[in-house]
Amino acid sequence: QSALTQPPSASGSPGQSVTISCTGTSSDVGGYNYVSWYQQHPGKAPKLMIYEVSKRPSGVPDRFSGSKSGNTASLTVSGLQAEDESDYYCSSYAGSNNVEVFGGGTKLTVL
Amino acid sequence: QITLKESGPTLVKPTQTLTLTCTFSGFSLSTSGVSVGWIRQPPGKALEWLALIYWDDGKRYRPSLKSRLTITKDTSKNQVVLTMTNMDPVDTATYYCAHRLSAYDIWGQGTMVTVSS
Repeated sequence: QSALTQPPSASGSPGQSVTISCTGTSSDVGGYNYVSWYQQHPGKAPKLMIYEVSKRPSGVPDRFSGSKSGNTASLTVSGLQAEDESDYYCSSYAGSNNVEVFGGGTKLTVL
Repeated sequence: QITLKESGPTLVKPTQTLTLTCTFSGFSLSTSGVSVGWIRQPPGKALEWLALIYWDDGKRYRPSLKSRLTITKDTSKNQVVLTMTNMDPVDTATYYCAHRLSAYDIWGQGTMVTVSS
């Protein structure tokens, strides 16, 4: 299976909003509502931020939101804070092979 | 509180078989809907999904590595084991195990495996 496509980098100033895209196909992102987003700080394990396209786990700030349109999912971070600077990965169930696939990751910089 | 911890060798030689153990607590892998997955990350690169095992012993593998991977569980020991045969330097990575319901909500700290002669 092919990795989902994410922009390598994104940036925004404190207080601004930034959106990270995750593009797949109708066999993964577009076909199922099992898109999740992970935040990974350097040297740390990933942390689940969004699951099932738009649901937030307990403890994740509501500044983080997820959505999907067609074959593209998006993560929006509103009211950017310095601690949001991190790598972000999307993931989706891919039913054609009954497997899972990750995106290439996006490095978010808070200017 | 759910926790997971990976263990295994830090260095393996090319062509050898890697065996990693994920020891967990705070949940049972016999509970309906629960699964444990393995994900790896080569240095400086993206996450790669490897394998998943369900409460009912269902298993899924990354297609490109399916011939080299085996995932098993020991419910009584609260462990999941991943074996990968014929290791190559390109398999050098941090290997994570993670608890999964509909997404990987709790991750282990990861274990770095280097493949070198």
